[in-house]
Amino acid sequence: EAQVTQNPRYLITVTGKKLTVTCSQNMNHEYMSWYRQDPGLGLRQIYYSMNVEVTDKGDVPEGYKVSRKEKRNFPLILESPSPNQTSLYFCASSLLVNPLGSYEQYFGPGTRLTVT
Amino acid sequence: EDKVVQSPLSLVVHEGDTVTLNCSYEVTNFRSLLWYKQEKKAPTFLFMLTSSGIEKKSGRLSSILDKKELFSILNITATQTGDSAVYLCAVALNSGNTPLVFGKGTRLSVIA
Repeated sequence: EAQVTQNPRYLITVTGKKLTVTCSQNMNHEYMSWYRQDPGLGLRQIYYSMNVEVTDKGDVPEGYKVSRKEKRNFPLILESPSPNQTSLYFCASSLLVNPLGSYEQYFGPGTRLTVT
Repeated sequence: EDKVVQSPLSLVVHEGDTVTLNCSYEVTNFRSLLWYKQEKKAPTFLFMLTSSGIEKKSGRLSSILDKKELFSILNITATQTGDSAVYLCAVALNSGNTPLVFGKGTRLSVIA
């Protein structure tokens, strides 16, 4: 089954304790992206990657790191989490350009992070 | 700055009503417009629109794009309680980075 998986699904942590949220897709997609979703602000892009070893900042990259060492994985790293990073996080992937010229992103199930 | 604006932000209707959700955009290098439905989990894809005036239809849902006036609408006829969700509009840009710009969503509540 084609899917994007994220782990963990829920995480409560304390300020300053490094954490990693994993994201993996099995569709051989080039493009992967992380979003955070907050009430009243919608989905905002944190980082994205157009292929292995190619990453770039989205709209709200501060406090986050990513890596893309393999095509299927795109972990999100919070080196020193702070309470303002409490949010719902989504990983997504897509083909960069598919044969139909469309651009549909597949979303993971989400990770609800609480930083106290 | 690229932006996508959805309206209304929130909507409550009775079962059987027809609703129209709006999405307007101001972006450089428009590629396509996408609609997603988000319940208590990840967004799921509904429609992708690239051409003006061509209606996309899936059951009771339909959507159309106007590239001249820079907006799209999502129609839901004969609404059901299962249609209650946040509906997200996003615009894909035809730039080298190809990110998606999302609107803030419209929260639809359908009551029996």
